Amino acid sequence: AQKVTQAQTEISVVEKEDVTLDCVYETRDTTYYLFWYKQPPSGELVFLIRRNSFDEQNEISGRYSWNFQKSTSSFNFTITASQVVDSAVYFCALIFSGGGADGLTFGKGTHLIIQP
Amino acid sequence: DAGVIQSPRHEVTEMGQEVTLRCKPISGHDYLFWYRQTMMRGLELLIYFNNNVPIDDSGMPEDRFSAKMPNASFSTLKIQPSEPRDSAVYFCASSASGDRYYEQYFGPGTRLTVT
Repeated sequence: AQKVTQAQTEISVVEKEDVTLDCVYETRDTTYYLFWYKQPPSGELVFLIRRNSFDEQNEISGRYSWNFQKSTSSFNFTITASQVVDSAVYFCALIFSGGGADGLTFGKGTHLIIQP
Repeated sequence: DAGVIQSPRHEVTEMGQEVTLRCKPISGHDYLFWYRQTMMRGLELLIYFNNNVPIDDSGMPEDRFSAKMPNASFSTLKIQPSEPRDSAVYFCASSASGDRYYEQYFGPGTRLTVT
C-alpha cells in the first residue's frame, strides 16, 4: 500500500522567511512518481512538480526548490524568500508507475500562512 | 489552452435529490479522473477512465454514485439519491498518455452541499 505523510498541518511564517514543507512517503514499488500541488484559497489544485524515483537530482524553479532523498523516502519542498501569495495548502502526492493506471495518493496537506 | 472545465462550480441541493457534476478534460488527454476532497478524508480517487472506458471504480463510495464518459470531451459524475455526507468538493483531472501520463491537471472543482 502507498502512503504519503505530511506531518506539518499548518506553518506560519513572516514574509521573506524561508520555509520547508516536509513529505515522507511509503511504497513497496521501485518505480514511482512524486508530486507537489498547490491549493490556493480559491480552491483549485495547481500542479507544481513531478519527480520520478530514478531521478534524485534536486530541482530549483525560481524561489521554489525540491529535495528528493530516496534513502529517507522524503521529498521536501522549500520556498525561499516567501511571499504572501505563497499562502495556500500544499499537497505532496505519489503514484505508482509500474504499469496499469492509478490515481494519485495524496498527503493530508500543509496549510502555509505567510504573514505580511 | 483551456484547462479542465467543471460545472457547476457550486451546487446546493436537498437530501434525496439527484446531482450531476460535469467535466470537460483538456483536449488530447485520454485519461480522466474524478476525486473527492473532504476535511475528514482529504483527497481521494473515486474513479478513472482511459479512452472513455472506466478502468477502476473501486473508490466510488457506494451504488448511489455513478460516472460516465460518453465521449472524449465529456464526463459526468452522478449521485442519486444525494445525502448530507456527500457534501464535498469534487475535482475532475485529466492527463495525457505516454511520458506525460503522470501529470494530472485538475479542474476548479465543484463544491457540493447537500442539506
